[in-house]
Parts: sequence; structure tokens; C-alpha cells
Amino acid sequence: KNQVEQSPQSLIILEGKNCTLQCNYTVSPFSNLRWYKQDTGRGPVSLTIMTFSENTKSNGRYTATLDADTKQSSLHITASQLSDSASYICVVRKSEDMRFGAGTRLTVKP
Amino acid sequence: EAQVTQNPRYLITVTGKKLTVTCSQNMNHEYMSWYRQDPGLGLRQIYYSMNVEVTDKGDVPEGYKVSRKEKRNFPLILESPSPNQTSLYFCASRPGTSGSETQYFGPGTRLLVL
Repeated sequence: KNQVEQSPQSLIILEGKNCTLQCNYTVSPFSNLRWYKQDTGRGPVSLTIMTFSENTKSNGRYTATLDADTKQSSLHITASQLSDSASYICVVRKSEDMRFGAGTRLTVKP
Repeated sequence: EAQVTQNPRYLITVTGKKLTVTCSQNMNHEYMSWYRQDPGLGLRQIYYSMNVEVTDKGDVPEGYKVSRKEKRNFPLILESPSPNQTSLYFCASRPGTSGSETQYFGPGTRLLVL
């Protein structure tokens, strides 16, 4: 069983709407949790990073939250744009070991 | 421009024909790594290198080799490719081993083994 589970697997929303992606993990203890954006045909690019003691981190229209007690993180996208169409990957780091979720495929339609 | 480059970007080969995928970074990073990405699975680490001449196995090293003769290059070698190595491969680098450092990924190499 993957130590990092993401939901939903895929999501379609209309341009301008908000959405929230989920990440549940069992990695423990962990150093930090990152959200990456991966455009089709490209490598992942880091959006946010949070350590154990941080609850929320924003990067423009992207806001990540972390609940270390329940081992859950979410990525909220506000006022979605067509360019937000991509896969979003949750990555939990434990020491030198990084565990990747399978990603959520987001499609934003006009 | 700071970047990680991979070549080739696309490759079709046949079972058993040795191939090498090159990876180069121009950021003077100590740490480099190879991953494979398959549908429905997260990226899985194949090999990593914490510095020149230092390499270690990741989660799925079987069937792969790497070398780190110089800091900027980290080639991935498939001595005898098999169809189950058909995948999307990413090279990545980061400055060192600090937990908060950002890892930069290359554009990916899509490999098809017939």
C-alpha cells in the first residue's frame, strides 16, 4: 500500500471555480510535505513546502494545509484558470527518503 | 538558465539492446536522482547519488545502472532493457541533503521497449 494516497484521482472543474485536492499519508516521522504541479509532458515543479509545525502555506492562488495529527494535507486552488490543468502530486519526505503520491489529474474547462 | 536536461526525450527500442539516458544539471547540485513514473503509481526512485562517485539504490533499482563520474552528469543505463521498463523517466537534482531544499526535475524521457 502506498504511503501517500491522493484523492480524487481526477477532477474536472469549470474555469473560475475553486477546488480542493486531498493527500493522506502514513509516512512517520516526516521532514516536510510538498505539493508539486506537473504539466503534461513536463517534470514536476514545486508549489509549496510545509514542515511538521506549519499548518498552511500559500503560493498565489494555491494554498496548502497540513494536519500532522491526522496526517492529512490539502491543496486548495482558488479561481481556477485553464493553465491550472495539470497533475498535482503530494510528496512526503522522511529523512533522505521521499514518498510520492500517484497524483490528482485536474482539468479546468472553459 | 538553471535547469536539468535529459536526452533523449523519447526513445523506442527493442528488448536486450543496451541504452543510456543522459542527465545533466548546471546548478552545481550535489544530489541527483532517477525516477520512473507509471500510470496510477507515484514516482519511484531508481537510484540516487549524494555526490561524485557515490551512488545508492532506490526503491526499484533492478535492471538499471548509474554512474556519477562528474558532478553535473548522472546517466541512467539499461544494460538489457525489457518491456516492463517501458515508462516515463525523470532525472532530478537538488543542492544537497537538507530536508527543505527544492528538488528540480528534468523534462522526462519516455521509453518504449518492444
